[in-house]
Amino acid sequence: GESVGLHLPTLSVQEGDNSIINCAYSNSASDYFIWYKQESGKGPQFIIDIRSNMDKRQGQRVTVLLNKTVKHLSLQIAATQPGDSAVYFCAELTSGSARQLTFGSGTQLTVLP
Amino acid sequence: NAGVTQTPKFRVLKTGQSMTLLCAQDMNHEYMYWYRQDPGMGLRLIHYSVGEGTTAKGEVPDGYNVSRLKKQNFLLGLESAAPSQTSVYFCASSLVEGGRHGYEQYFGPGTRLTVT
Repeated sequence: GESVGLHLPTLSVQEGDNSIINCAYSNSASDYFIWYKQESGKGPQFIIDIRSNMDKRQGQRVTVLLNKTVKHLSLQIAATQPGDSAVYFCAELTSGSARQLTFGSGTQLTVLP
Repeated sequence: NAGVTQTPKFRVLKTGQSMTLLCAQDMNHEYMYWYRQDPGMGLRLIHYSVGEGTTAKGEVPDGYNVSRLKKQNFLLGLESAAPSQTSVYFCASSLVEGGRHGYEQYFGPGTRLTVT
């Protein structure tokens, strides 16, 4: 899976299946995490966020899970659609860092028909 | 609202030339950022600003300068472009605190710069 530093470049899933994109972070002082979606030729777009005092947060068709013990973050997309094909980035915010997000390298999600 | 806009969308420079990238936001955000994105990599912070008249260095500031004379605008300058600065540049803005999404940064569409 993706990490802030390493990344799994691609993930292919069948349309209608669930997708899981993983992210490992290294800074135990990080207290806020965001998932962004970036379509080809466009800027990153917010998907969902989670604070470090939460383990899970759900949005529309997306769920973010945070495991602070192993410093791992995942994004689950239910019933993946062709429009979900994009690069997905996780980003972490460290307390006191003047709102500087540190981005992972990204995972390319391809939805197969 | 237009959100975050960037001009130009594309530019080709020769080594040694200078240029300025303009970022504008109409959301009254205090914080603004400039990132670069290279192929197969995430975004790296170049410079950022926590308010009008203030700027600070990010992760990769060398070769770039910035100015924030007005709250809604954040300019990124390249004084003497180098091929290593070929990249896609993204501007972003965010609220200082709060908001539905906490510290979410809103991104512009990007500027694709090629230095030959």
